[in-house]
Order: sequence, then C-alpha cells, then structure tokens
Amino acid sequence: RKEVEQDPGPFNVPEGATVAFNCTYSNSASQSFFWYRQDCRKEPKLLMSVYSSGNEDGRFTAQLNRASQYISLLIRDSKLSDSATYLCVVRNSGNTPLVFGKGTRLSVIA
Amino acid sequence: ETGVTQSPTHLIKTRGQQVTLRCSSQSGHNTVSWYQQALGQGPQFIFQYYREEENGRGNFPPRFSGLQFPNYSSELNVNALELDDSALYLCASSLDSRRPSNSPLHFGNGTRLTVT
Repeated sequence: RKEVEQDPGPFNVPEGATVAFNCTYSNSASQSFFWYRQDCRKEPKLLMSVYSSGNEDGRFTAQLNRASQYISLLIRDSKLSDSATYLCVVRNSGNTPLVFGKGTRLSVIA
Repeated sequence: ETGVTQSPTHLIKTRGQQVTLRCSSQSGHNTVSWYQQALGQGPQFIFQYYREEENGRGNFPPRFSGLQFPNYSSELNVNALELDDSALYLCASSLDSRRPSNSPLHFGNGTRLTVT
C-alpha cells in the first residue's frame, strides 16, 4: 500500500464549480500535512498547510481527519487558473522527508 | 531574500553518462534535500545534506550521490545514467534538519533531465 494515495483524476469541472479532492495516508504517526500545487512542467508550490481543526484560505479549504487518516481539499468557485495538479503531502515524525502522493489533476473549463 | 535556485534548467544525456546537478540554497538555510519526480508521479526523496554531510537517504542506488559545500550549496551526481533516470530533479533548502519541523519545503524550479 502506498504511503499517500490520491485519485489521479482528471477532474474536469466548469468555471464556478466546487470540487473536492481526498487523500489517504497510511502512517498513523504522521504529523504534518500539506497541499501543494504543481503546474505543468513546473516545480510544486505550497498551496496550504493542513491543520487539525481545518483551515481556509480564500476559496480553498483543507481538512484533516486523523481517525480516518485522510485529508481533503475543497476549492470553491473554480477559476480557469486553478487548473493544475494538486499534490497531497505528509511529513512523518521528526525530521523525516516529505512524502508525496501522485497528485490529482484538475482542469477547469470555460 | 534569494530563494532556491537550480541549474541547469534542462539537460539531455545519453545512457551510461554521468551528470551533475546544482542547487543554491536559500540564504540562511543549512540543509538541502533532493527529490526526483518522474512523469506522472509525485516527487520521491533522494537524500538530504546538513552541514556538508548526508543525514538521510531514500530508496535510491549508490550511483546517486551528492555533496554539500561550506556555503551550503549542493550537487547531485548520477553515474551510469539509465533511461528511467529521466525526471524532474527538485532541490529544497531548510534551516536545521536536526529539529522536528512542521514546516513545508519550498522547491527550486528544478532540473529536467532527459536520458536517451
């Protein structure tokens, strides 16, 4: 079983739609959680950290369910510029490296 | 404040050759991590350097090696290149890998290596 699993998509949604991505992780000792965004042929860039109480940044809402070991990302009012691959990322205890999912591809269509 | 920079941007090599990729860390950061991202995959951890010594390694063969210099910049060397080494190689710097951290990493723009 992969350490971080995501639905690869693609998710094709119209502008203005709400879309949600889920991600599961296997290591119950994981301590830090992030969503990264990656545009085609570019490096991954941090979209947001994910906190236990859930957090929101504009149109983006991230939630963490430790009991079920999943993380979600909700994008409201999708824009064309949201089209990208969204990577679910986990850091286990201490100083361990980031563990990435394969990413979920989103295409927002006019 | 200067972010992480990598060079070259793109590189084409032939199977069996050797390659060196370079990374300049963000000012004030003493730790550099390298990741490999194959097409359609998430980045995979290769190794990490702290104060010129390797202090963590992923599941990569010994032909993947690295160096960190006194100014904390770093090199990734790959010997005996294979076709499957074609990937985007990403570098990230951070401050003091010895301490537990909840901080994310910020990557350089990567080096795209193609092995033919």
